[in-house]
Amino acid sequence: AQSVTQPDIHITVSEGASLELRCNYSYGATPYLFWYVQSPGQGLQLLLKYFSGDTLVQGIKGFEAEFKRSQSSFNLRKPSVHWSDAAEYFCAVDPSNYQLIWGAGTKLIIKP
Amino acid sequence: NAGVTQTPKFQVLKTGQSMTLQCAQDMNHEYMSWYRQDPGMGLRLIHYSVGAGITDQGEVPNGYNVSRSTTEDFPLRLLSAAPSQTSVYFCASSSSGVGGNTEAFFGQGTRLTVV
Repeated sequence: AQSVTQPDIHITVSEGASLELRCNYSYGATPYLFWYVQSPGQGLQLLLKYFSGDTLVQGIKGFEAEFKRSQSSFNLRKPSVHWSDAAEYFCAVDPSNYQLIWGAGTKLIIKP
Repeated sequence: NAGVTQTPKFQVLKTGQSMTLQCAQDMNHEYMSWYRQDPGMGLRLIHYSVGAGITDQGEVPNGYNVSRSTTEDFPLRLLSAAPSQTSVYFCASSSSGVGGNTEAFFGQGTRLTVV
């Protein structure tokens, strides 16, 4: 069965430090891949998506993600985090046109 | 732009009560869906719709009913609320595919507590 694993439930990063959030998926083919962000009390907003082509994808708010087929991974990165980046981040996979399979989320905490 | 609007934002129900969570979008999207979000479990698809008059079940449909009489509205009905339905519910819409190669737009969620 398809699944998405985000191995880190919480990550704490100092403001200004770099960030990498991990995402691994289990799927036979290369699916569409997404990262969404959920700020406290809010809905989800798309950060970036990968369909095909260049494996390094740029998103909003200075985020990027790299698709590595050999590792079935789609890790999210940011070179320097800001306090406003504190949120929960979800990786999602689309194995079909009708359903997104979601990871459990990683909560990002920013230390001043 | 209103986007996706969910009402109410918060609701407390007693076990056995029924209620309808409302979802409306003003983007003329064909695809709409309902998810529930539980701690440590990400989002799970309850029901989805690919257009007016067409709905289908997702991963966790039991205890929920949907209908889609118009493109704009996609209400979710809890038939007889149970404590296991305590969750945060999100409605989403997209122009082509619940997932697919398009962005899903989410409402701000309804926090439901069943006592």
